Parts: sequence; C-alpha cells; structure tokens
Amino acid sequence: DVKVTQSSRYLVKRTGEKVFLECVQDMDHENMFWYRQDPGLGLRLIYFSYDVKMKEKGDIPEGYSVSREKKERFSLILESASTNQTSMYLCASRNVLDQPQHFGDGTRLSIL
Amino acid sequence: GENVEQHPSTLSVQEGDSAVIKCTYSDSASNYFPWYKQELGKGPQLIIDIRSNVGEKKDQRIAVTLNKTAKHFSLHITETQPEDSAVYFCAASYPGGKLIFGQGTELSVKP
Repeated sequence: DVKVTQSSRYLVKRTGEKVFLECVQDMDHENMFWYRQDPGLGLRLIYFSYDVKMKEKGDIPEGYSVSREKKERFSLILESASTNQTSMYLCASRNVLDQPQHFGDGTRLSIL
Repeated sequence: GENVEQHPSTLSVQEGDSAVIKCTYSDSASNYFPWYKQELGKGPQLIIDIRSNVGEKKDQRIAVTLNKTAKHFSLHITETQPEDSAVYFCAASYPGGKLIFGQGTELSVKP
C-alpha cells in the first residue's frame, strides 16, 4: 500500500512566522501535490511537482512556496504566515498522469 | 474556467436506502473522474474511478456513471450502512494533469 506521511497532524504558529510542512511518500511516485481544504470549498491545489527540483503553481499559490530536493519528499513553505492560512493541508502523490492520487492524513494548521 | 460542481452538500439517508451524489465539470477534455471518501481525521481515500471511455463502473455497493455529452458524473451507493457516513469528493482531470475537486458532500447514514 502507498504510504503518504505528513510530519505533523496539528500545528499552531504565530502570524509572521515561517512555517514548514513536510510530506514523504514511500512508493517512488513521480508526482506530488499540496492542497488546502476548507469547508464548502473542497480541495484546492496550491503547488505540485512532476519531478525532483520541478514545481508548478496550482490555483492558489500566493503566500506559499515549495521545495522538492528528493523524489520522496515535498515541502510546503509559508513564507510569512497569516491568519487566512489557517486550514487543513493535504499532501498527495501519484505515479503518473491520470493515475489515482494517494493522500496523507493532513496537517491542521492554526495561525494565531 | 476549470470548475467542478457537486450536489448536494449534505445528504441524510436511512440505513439500507440508496444515496446519489452528482457532479458536473466544465472541460470536455477531462478524461479521468475519481471519487474519494474522507472519514473524520483522515485524508481522502479513493473509492472508485472512471475513465471517459466507459459509461458506468461498479464495485460491490458502489457505482459511478458518466455522461460525457452532458458533462455529468454521479456516485451511487446502494444498501447504505452507518460506516458509509463520511464526506465524499468528486474530481475531474484537467489539462496539465491537475485534478479539480468538487466542494464535497457530507453523507449521514442513520441506523
């Protein structure tokens, strides 16, 4: 079974802090994704990566950046956290185009 | 633009009844349509998916239908059980390999 592991289940940070969310997958998948989930809005794509050191903006990239130095690890960075970034963050991976995406259990991030 | 509309946002059924969730998508080039189930405190899990070359797919009590002409697809759950209670998301693939998700349906199955 594919395992996507997000480093923290819950995280509380302060406005203006730099925040790192980590995600690791164990199936040698090429593609990795970061989403945020908010009630009534579904899952919205922040950034994705099709290969090591590659990154593409999703639909809501403002205020975020990403890093993919190794194939198995995809990090989401909040450069200067703001209260409107309080949300559930989900990481996913997949092998190739139009194959199922596999999700981690999420990080619930609160910015105070 | 890229959009997936999902209805209803909440659905309450009695145990044993059927549940239907409907989605529409905007891009006729979409060719992959997965459905995810999200239980409390967990990430979404794939329960069934369908590709544009078929109109229907079944897996035990779950079925998905696709109408490409109308750009509709639906999830059907028969003989619902309390453990089916969860939030369900539909999604459609878009050029570049992105998935666009619907807003989610909270299904409650009452014993």
